[in-house]
Amino acid sequence: RKEVEQDPGPFNVPEGATVAFNCTYSNSASQSFFWYRQDCRKEPKLLMSVYSSGNEDGRFTAQLNRASQYISLLIRDSKLSDSATYLCVVNRGGGYQKVTFGIGTKLQVIP
Amino acid sequence: DGGITQSPKYLFRKEGQNVTLSCEQNLNHDAMYWYRQDPGQGLRLIYYSQIVNDFQKGDIAEGYSVSREKKESFPLTVTSAQKNPTAFYLCASRNPRDLGHEQYFGPGTRLTVT
Repeated sequence: RKEVEQDPGPFNVPEGATVAFNCTYSNSASQSFFWYRQDCRKEPKLLMSVYSSGNEDGRFTAQLNRASQYISLLIRDSKLSDSATYLCVVNRGGGYQKVTFGIGTKLQVIP
Repeated sequence: DGGITQSPKYLFRKEGQNVTLSCEQNLNHDAMYWYRQDPGQGLRLIYYSQIVNDFQKGDIAEGYSVSREKKESFPLTVTSAQKNPTAFYLCASRNPRDLGHEQYFGPGTRLTVT
């Protein structure tokens, strides 16, 4: 089983739709979690950290479910500019804060 | 503006040649990382450095070498021993004291070896 698993998509959704992605992780000792956004042929950039209590930033909501070992990202009122690949990132912690990246979920918002 | 720079953006080499990719940061970060990204795979860690003059192998270090002589710089050499060097290479840095653990990425170098 991969350390971090994501559905690669693509998810094609109309503008204004709500879309959700899940990401599962295998190491129950993982300490911190993130969603990064990567535009085509560009570097990843942090979208948001994921906290146990959940967190929201505008149209984006991230949730963590430790019992089931998954994190989720919800995007409301999708915009064309949301089209990108969303990378799930899990930090195992320890002496070296090692992170594992998922393969990413590709979102295409269509007019 | 603070950030990470990688150059060049595109690099073409013939098989059998060593090539060095540059990575420079002015964020005053202690930790720096090299990843490669291939289609259908997540970023994979090649080497990392937590402090000047120290570096450790990541998950796929074979065929690569690095140096960390200055805090700002972490060049990666792709040697002829790397079996499949064509990839998108990303350098990142992080402040280990940052509780958010965010990594900041450079714009990447696309290496094509023929």
